[in-house]
Parts: sequence; structure tokens; C-alpha cells
Amino acid sequence: DAKTTQPTSMDCAEGRAANLPCNHSTISGNEYVYWYRQIHSQGPQYIIHGLKNNETNEMASLIITEDRKSSTLILPHATLRDTAVYYCIVRVEYGNKLVFGAGTILRVKS
Amino acid sequence: NAGVTQTPKFQVLKTGQSMTLQCAQDMNHEYMSWYRQDPGMGLRLIHYSVGAGITDQGEVPNGYNVSRSTTEDFPLRLLSAAPSQTSVYFCASYGGALGNTEAFFGQGTRLTVV
Repeated sequence: DAKTTQPTSMDCAEGRAANLPCNHSTISGNEYVYWYRQIHSQGPQYIIHGLKNNETNEMASLIITEDRKSSTLILPHATLRDTAVYYCIVRVEYGNKLVFGAGTILRVKS
Repeated sequence: NAGVTQTPKFQVLKTGQSMTLQCAQDMNHEYMSWYRQDPGMGLRLIHYSVGAGITDQGEVPNGYNVSRSTTEDFPLRLLSAAPSQTSVYFCASYGGALGNTEAFFGQGTRLTVV
């Protein structure tokens, strides 16, 4: 299974862009990068995913490097409600398991 | 559309008791998983299923049993509860296409074993 590495925690000022990095240097060619977040012990919530192209939806943007060894999740205008643990996950191929790492604690401050 | 429903939301067990955590989804997803989350930690995969009748072990399967007799339901059984199983348990479901579907999570079952 491809592993991911994320910073333990990050701070961001309210209204500014939050850029959350993720390293996945062992990703395989057909594995996708997924981002989820977990707010205050609720069930995790899907944010966005991508294979090789940059992606954008109403919540965030995902930038994947050309070699696919790393990616960045961008929350364009962070609010206090974006304070959460953000998980970067590479979707494994066999069995379609979904395995979480430790994630990044994002604290948005006013 | 209810999504993923977990019951109960809270449970207190005595050591040695057994119980079943229920998980049901109404999205016709092929894949379902159970996770546990200890305080201040990330989610760890207990068991997962890739379809009715097919289950496999995750990272921390010991002390838990699962079965998948229908697409909709994926119950998690604790045969003899131990204090180390005190945790929040999450169930997830997702579709069948390789890599290209989002997972939906229940709101969790908070289990305390005394």
C-alpha cells in the first residue's frame, strides 16, 4: 500500500488560503489521491480526489505534482469551521481498502 | 436518503459481555468497512467487505468478527468485550469502481467497556 506523509499540525489565519501538503512517493500509476476531513470526532467527510490532473470543487482544490509523488490540498478562504483533522489517503488497489494515516490538524484562527 | 446509519450511538459494556454494532447503508455500495478511533488518534481499519459474502481483515481485527449477508448491512461483533476496546467505532461504505468513488461514514458508536 502506498503510504502518505503529512505534517502533524498547521495553523492558518481566517480568510486566508490553507495549503495542506501530502507526500506519497510510492504511489502507483492507477492509485488516486483522496482527501477527507474529520471535524470534532464526527465521521470523516470526503473533500476531493484526483489521479493526475488538478481538481477543484466547491470545497477545495487539489494540486498534484507532475511526478505524482506529492499533492497539496488548498482551502481558498479558510473559516473557523474548517478547523479539523485532514487526511490524505492513497487508495489501495487490492480489495479497495481505505486506510487512514495520522492526518494534519488544521487550526484556523481569527 | 439516510446514507450510513450506525446503531447504537452510545453503549457501555461490562468486561466479557458481547454485543453487535449495527451498520446499514442504503446507497447500494459494494464496499463497507469498520474503523476504530481511540482518543487523539487516527482511524484504524478493523475489517472490511468487498461485497456480500466477502470479508477481510484490516489493521486491528483481533477481538472482532464481521459478516456480510446482504449488501446493505455489515454488523461488527464483539464476542468478549475488553477495556482495550473502549473506542469510537465508525462504519463506512463506498461504491465499486476502482478508486473513483467517495466513502460515506456513519456518525459513530461510542463504546465504553468497564
